[in-house]
Amino acid sequence: QSALTQPASVSGSPGQSITISCTATSNDVGGYNSVSWYQQHPGKAPKLMIYDVSNRPSGVSNRFSGSKSGNTASLTISGLQAEDEAHYYCGSYTTSSTPWAFGGGTKLTVL
Amino acid sequence: QVQLQESGPGLVKPSETLSLTCTVSGGSISSHYWSWIRQPPGKGLEWIGYVYYSGSTNYNPSLKSRVTISVDTSKSQFSLKLSSVTATDTSVYYCARHTGGSYPYAFDIWGQGTMVTVSS
Repeated sequence: QSALTQPASVSGSPGQSITISCTATSNDVGGYNSVSWYQQHPGKAPKLMIYDVSNRPSGVSNRFSGSKSGNTASLTISGLQAEDEAHYYCGSYTTSSTPWAFGGGTKLTVL
Repeated sequence: QVQLQESGPGLVKPSETLSLTCTVSGGSISSHYWSWIRQPPGKGLEWIGYVYYSGSTNYNPSLKSRVTISVDTSKSQFSLKLSSVTATDTSVYYCARHTGGSYPYAFDIWGQGTMVTVSS
C-alpha cells in the first residue's frame, strides 16, 4: 500500500483550473518537503513537472504549480489545455522503511 | 544534455534472472543517485531501488530479497538484476536520475523505458 494517496481521476474543461491532491499516510515522509510531481502521457516516460513541493524545472509551463498544507501536497493546473490530459503521479523521498514512494496516480481528463 | 538508455532482453523465462543496464550519456554519472522504476501494464509506478555513484544502494523492501543494483562509473552505466521472476514482474522498466544533492529527491531525467515480459 502506497504511503501517498491520490484521487484516481479528476476532470475539467479547457481553460478551467484543477487540483490533484497527494496525502501522506505516514508521518515520516521525509519531512514531506521533497514532494515531486510527474506527468505521463500514454506510452511515454514520466516527465518531472514540480520538485521540492513547488519548484518548476526549466521548460515547464507556469500553468503548473505545487503547494503543500500539512500532510497533503497539491498540484494545480490552470488554464487547462487538451495536451494536459495525462496521468499524474506524486512522489517523495521518505524516511520510512521504503525510501522512495509514488502515489497511485491520477488520470486527468480534459472534457 | 544527459540522456539515459535502458538495454537488455525483452523476454525472460519464469524463475530466471532479469538483467537490465542503463547507459548514461551527455553527462557524468558522479554526484547523483540513480534509480530503477517499473510500471506493470495499465498500472502505476513502482520504485525498485537506487544506487549512488559511490556504489551504496537502497531497495524497495517488497523486492529487496530479489534485487541487486550496481554501478560501473568507468562505463557510465548502472544495472538491475531481479532474480526468480514471475509473470507479475512483467512491466516497463525505467531508469532515472535523481536531482543532485545529498538525498535521492526528485527524478529529473528518465530513460524511455523498456518492456520486459516474463513468459515461458
